[in-house]
Amino acid sequence: GENVEQHPSTLSVQEGDSAVIKCTYSDSASNYFPWYKQELGKGPQLIIDIRSNVGEKKDQRIAVTLNKTAKHFSLHITETQPEDSAVYFCAAVGGNKLTFGGGTRVLVKP
Amino acid sequence: KAGVTQTPRYLIKTRGQQVTLSCSPISGHRSVSWYQQTPGQGLQFLFEYFSETQRNKGNFPGRFSGRQFSNSRSEMNVSTLELGDSALYLCASSLGDWTYEQYFGPGTRLTVT
Repeated sequence: GENVEQHPSTLSVQEGDSAVIKCTYSDSASNYFPWYKQELGKGPQLIIDIRSNVGEKKDQRIAVTLNKTAKHFSLHITETQPEDSAVYFCAAVGGNKLTFGGGTRVLVKP
Repeated sequence: KAGVTQTPRYLIKTRGQQVTLSCSPISGHRSVSWYQQTPGQGLQFLFEYFSETQRNKGNFPGRFSGRQFSNSRSEMNVSTLELGDSALYLCASSLGDWTYEQYFGPGTRLTVT
């Protein structure tokens, strides 16, 4: 089955700096890669996604890149703000199910 | 549009009991998936229902079961609860195909004592 690895597990950045989270996946048939943000006491919130026919997608301060050949994808957050502090999960859809990475706890220091 | 709702939000049960959790998807969404979230194992897929049929299943024992009703609302049941079943149970809904976006509810926090 699909296996998704996510790094780093924790990330501390200064407000205004950029944050980058990287994920690799194992199933070359996976074709949809969403990213979720989970705040304390809440369910994961979809923040951006990318499909296998696209190499990059941007939404304001958030961007995601996908390298199908290397089977990895990344989340980039620019100009980080304190409200970006949360746990971020990458995921991959393969075999008709969503497989999540282990999560990255992001702390934005003011 | 209202989001995914889950009831109850918190639940405390004793080992050996059974529990039923409920999920109401976003209006118009026909697929409901369930996930278990624990600090040790992360987010793990339990099963997915589409048009009242289980379409896909994760690697969980038969004590975990679910169903979906004609209005797309879903329930999951865990029988003979074990301490290790303590977790946040999340449901997510989508329009249908796996390439559609999945939207999560707030979860039900189950504690087994």
